[in-house]
Amino acid sequence: DTGVSQNPRHKITKRGQNVTFRCDPISEHNRLYWYRQTLGQGPEFLTYFQNEAQLEKSRLLSDRFSAERPKGSFSTLEIQRTEQGDSAMYLCASSLTGGVSYNEQFFGPGTRLTVL
Amino acid sequence: GESVGLHLPTLSVQEGDNSIINCAYSNSASDYFIWYKQESGKGPQFIIDIRSNMDKRQGQRVTVLLNKTVKHLSLQIAATQPGDSAVYFCAESILTGGGNKLTFGTGTQLKVEL
Repeated sequence: DTGVSQNPRHKITKRGQNVTFRCDPISEHNRLYWYRQTLGQGPEFLTYFQNEAQLEKSRLLSDRFSAERPKGSFSTLEIQRTEQGDSAMYLCASSLTGGVSYNEQFFGPGTRLTVL
Repeated sequence: GESVGLHLPTLSVQEGDNSIINCAYSNSASDYFIWYKQESGKGPQFIIDIRSNMDKRQGQRVTVLLNKTVKHLSLQIAATQPGDSAVYFCAESILTGGGNKLTFGTGTQLKVEL
């Protein structure tokens, strides 16, 4: 399968615990995005990387959230001291850059987080 | 808190009919617009896109219309099929200097009745 993969697909945790999600983008894609989607809403941008550099972070990304892409390939999103409001689907997408052309973002299946 | 987000607008159509899904976007600086389809348990899937210098673009069974004056997008699906049942989102983006990050609108649930 050459698409974007995310692991785990589902995570149930207790409030206050830390969780980490992984995203493996399409292999030649240099941009990687994280979005969060709550029930009935469209995805909301969290952050993105170009290669290993994190270029933008949304104000939605509190200090409890951290994302990395150490080698410019896979990325991890960690949430520390989870809260019930963190319950959502966390989506990863990847794309190629191409100057001023839009390059389609391919989305993974997401990781659904439930905080009890 | 507001619960309106739990009640997605729903469009029900008969199989074979045409569907029109509407979207209002927010940022007049956006210069690129995309329609995504999202099936239950899956990530969004690209359907069709349009640049701000165009007002219409056609794909296979789908057409996107853009009205920049009123910041409105629509997605037309011809001969709607049961496999078209999903939630549809419009998204806007800024091509230069914006990292191509997407801002999604409120989704519309499309239900195709046999």
